[in-house]
Amino acid sequence: AQKITQTQPGMFVQEKEAVTLDCTYDTSDQSYGLFWYKQPSSGEMIFLIYQGSYDEQNATEGRYSLNFQKARKSANLVISASQLGDSAMYFCAMSSQGGSEKLVFGKGTKLTVNP
Amino acid sequence: EPEVTQTPSHQVTQMGQEVILRCVPISNHLYFYWYRQILGQKVEFLVSFYNNEISEKSEIFDDQFSVERPDGSNFTLKIRSTKLEDSAMYFCASSEEAAGGARVDTQYFGPGTRLTVL
Repeated sequence: AQKITQTQPGMFVQEKEAVTLDCTYDTSDQSYGLFWYKQPSSGEMIFLIYQGSYDEQNATEGRYSLNFQKARKSANLVISASQLGDSAMYFCAMSSQGGSEKLVFGKGTKLTVNP
Repeated sequence: EPEVTQTPSHQVTQMGQEVILRCVPISNHLYFYWYRQILGQKVEFLVSFYNNEISEKSEIFDDQFSVERPDGSNFTLKIRSTKLEDSAMYFCASSEEAAGGARVDTQYFGPGTRLTVL
């Protein structure tokens, strides 16, 4: 079974600084996907970034990058130049490519950006 | 930019009543999903739907739940007789089909329906 672990219930960062949100995963699948979603206080789930297990390059989307270390089974999210609007819950999730269609989520990390 | 929409944004119901949560997936997507998030907890998978049938469901998705695609645009989740523990945020999501018929991994979520069962 797949499992996502996010060990940081809360993180604080100063505006304009970079922050890393940790995510480790466990799976027996050879092919899988890793995701990060943002959930502001309004409740919606916003897709941020995706990394396939066979992608050799780390994924980047604007200020978001995914630090993928396959051997360590980690998929940390790096947010550069934090903004006040980045304050939200962040969820790491994974999928099984070619197998189960569901996304398995971690418990989330609450990020607070301080001015 | 295309997005998944859900109605209503908030539904309050009495225990034992039936509720129908509605979703309009992104128009060219063919895979549809329902998830739920009990307050303060992680997001949990309920069911996936493809080609007019359920393709996968979780243990949570028991006989009280059903899904339907009544027309070419809507995707609904029905809870037949709500219980207090059904109170949660319910998310609809969709993903597209790649060339060759494979499912594209990324699932796009709607804004959610907050269900409160009294």
